[in-house]
Amino acid sequence: GGIITQTPKFLIGQEGQKLTLKCQQNFNHDTMYWYRQDSGKGLRLIYYSITENDLQKGDLSEGYDASREKKSSFSLTVTSAQKNEMAVFLCASSMVRQGAGNTLYFGEGSRLIVV
Amino acid sequence: GDSVTQTEGQVALSEEDFLTIHCNYSASGYPALFWYVQYPGEGPQFLFRASRDKEKGSSRGFEATYNKETTSFHLQKASVQESDSAVYYCALGETSSFSKLVFGQGTSLSVVP
Repeated sequence: GGIITQTPKFLIGQEGQKLTLKCQQNFNHDTMYWYRQDSGKGLRLIYYSITENDLQKGDLSEGYDASREKKSSFSLTVTSAQKNEMAVFLCASSMVRQGAGNTLYFGEGSRLIVV
Repeated sequence: GDSVTQTEGQVALSEEDFLTIHCNYSASGYPALFWYVQYPGEGPQFLFRASRDKEKGSSRGFEATYNKETTSFHLQKASVQESDSAVYYCALGETSSFSKLVFGQGTSLSVVP
């Protein structure tokens, strides 16, 4: 088995501040994802990375940057934190697998609080 | 684009009740369908998947059948327990070599003894 570790668990920042969330996985998976979770809106994809050195925008990428430093790590930066961005951010990883779609493995989430 | 709709935002049941959470999808291709479950304080975890029409996925007493005609993948369990209280997400993914999952809004299940 493996694990996905997200740090920090709670990230508190001021409006306008640049804030970074980090994610590490030891599954040796190629693909990593960042999702945003808002109550009543489900999970929405912010960025994903198919392999090391790849970056792809999801549906919710505006206001965020991402960085795939190496195969095992994927960071997400909120470029200018706003109070309406307070949410839980979930990191996930998966194998690239033919034919049956991919199963995602998630971390426990990081909660962003903007004061 | 592809989308998933879960009809129920919240469901409240008593132990041993029958559960149904409705999931309908819209997709241009022939997606794989998933159910994920999220317990408080944890990330979502994979429950099961189905990849073709009429295939049944199941795990831990939960099941759902892929229905291409009605574009549905409804989650059912015959007898829920208090420990099943969680948020349930339906999702779809393209059956290509790579897929990003599109999730529904989630359904919060509360089971009381």
